[in-house]
Amino acid sequence: AQKVTQAQTEISVVEKEDVTLDCVYETRDTTYYLFWYKQPPSGELVFLIRRNSFDEQNEISGRYSWNFQKSTSSFNFTITASQVVDSAVYFCALSGYTGTASKLTFGTGTRLQVTL
Amino acid sequence: NAGVTQTPKFQVLKTGQSMTLQCAQDMNHEYMSWYRQDPGMGLRLIHYSVGAGITDQGEVPNGYNVSRSTTEDFPLRLLSAAPSQTSVYFCASSYTRAGQGAGGYTFGSGTRLTVV
Repeated sequence: AQKVTQAQTEISVVEKEDVTLDCVYETRDTTYYLFWYKQPPSGELVFLIRRNSFDEQNEISGRYSWNFQKSTSSFNFTITASQVVDSAVYFCALSGYTGTASKLTFGTGTRLQVTL
Repeated sequence: NAGVTQTPKFQVLKTGQSMTLQCAQDMNHEYMSWYRQDPGMGLRLIHYSVGAGITDQGEVPNGYNVSRSTTEDFPLRLLSAAPSQTSVYFCASSYTRAGQGAGGYTFGSGTRLTVV
């Protein structure tokens, strides 16, 4: 069975602060994919990043960066210089790639509130 | 615009009624799935399909039925609605079942269902 844990239910920061959203996962698959999705107040799910289990390089995209560490089964997401538009619920997710029953498993989400 | 289209966006049902949530994608994705989102529980997989004519159960399949007669369409049927099925439903598609294609899993905008 696979599991994704986002221990931070809600985080509040002031604009321009840096914030890190934690994600810890469990899987028995040797090949798997990790995702982050953003759900703004409008409700849609926006794809942010996918990382495969063989690629532990950190990734930076503008103010967003991701730190993947297989040794600790973590895939953390950092927003640098947060902005009010970053306010949303962020979901970490995991998909396996063995057998025929692959599925995407989500964490429970972290609600980020950025205020002025 | 290419993507996943869900209809309706909102629906109110009475207990015992049946209905079909529609999902269509125009990206020629083989993998399609249905999720429900409930407060504090993230998104949970209801049913999924790895191609036309092939469907399988996810984590919470009871009370729901699916079929996949074409690559484009993946409707979700509620057989006899219950208040416990009040939720937001998302349809998703992907080039592969593990979400390796560009954009990972693409989600529809959701259907907010209330069963009274």
